[in-house]
Amino acid sequence: SQELEQSPQSLIVQEGKNLTINCTSSKTLYGLYWYKQKYGEGLIFLMMLQKGGEEKSHEKITAKLDEKKQQSSLHITASQPSHAGIYLCGADKAAGNKLTFGGGTRVLVKP
Amino acid sequence: NAGVTQTPKFRVLKTGQSMTLLCAQDMNHEYMYWYRQDPGMGLRLIHYSVGEGTTAKGEVPDGYNVSRLKKQNFLLGLESAAPSQTSVYFCASSNNKQGAQGNQPQHFGDGTRLSIL
Repeated sequence: SQELEQSPQSLIVQEGKNLTINCTSSKTLYGLYWYKQKYGEGLIFLMMLQKGGEEKSHEKITAKLDEKKQQSSLHITASQPSHAGIYLCGADKAAGNKLTFGGGTRVLVKP
Repeated sequence: NAGVTQTPKFRVLKTGQSMTLLCAQDMNHEYMYWYRQDPGMGLRLIHYSVGEGTTAKGEVPDGYNVSRLKKQNFLLGLESAAPSQTSVYFCASSNNKQGAQGNQPQHFGDGTRLSIL
């Protein structure tokens, strides 16, 4: 099974600062999904990337998938306390949508 | 908009007891999944279903059974609970489209926290 490595495992940023989370696979990905999880709650879907070089943005969050479809990044601009939580990347190798998840990145935003 | 609903939200069991976790979705999704989430290990797929009446094993199926008798429900059973099954369990559903549109994102429930003593 493919492995997804997320980095960093955790980070603390000052409110208003930018942050970037990376998700790396040793194999080519069919699709890459970003989710956010707050403590005690389920996963909230953020964005899905399927094409090499694809980039999507929603409000202050931007996700990119590299041309080789093996690495994705999630970038948050001017972070706010509402951005705090655990960010997970999930990926599938083919149609059928069986996801493998990274270990997650815990984000804390200091006011 | 209920989405994916899991019951119960919390449960404590003794080793050897059995129980069933219920997942219900109201989005008419074909695919449903059960994951477990453990510290430092992300989410791991236990079992999944690609349609009513079908089930398949995921990454960590041992000790669990599932049933998909109705399209909207996916049940996860623990026949003889073990402390190693202490975890947070998540159910998800999706509606994949074939061809150029590819896979669709999975929608998750809020989880069931299960402790086995």
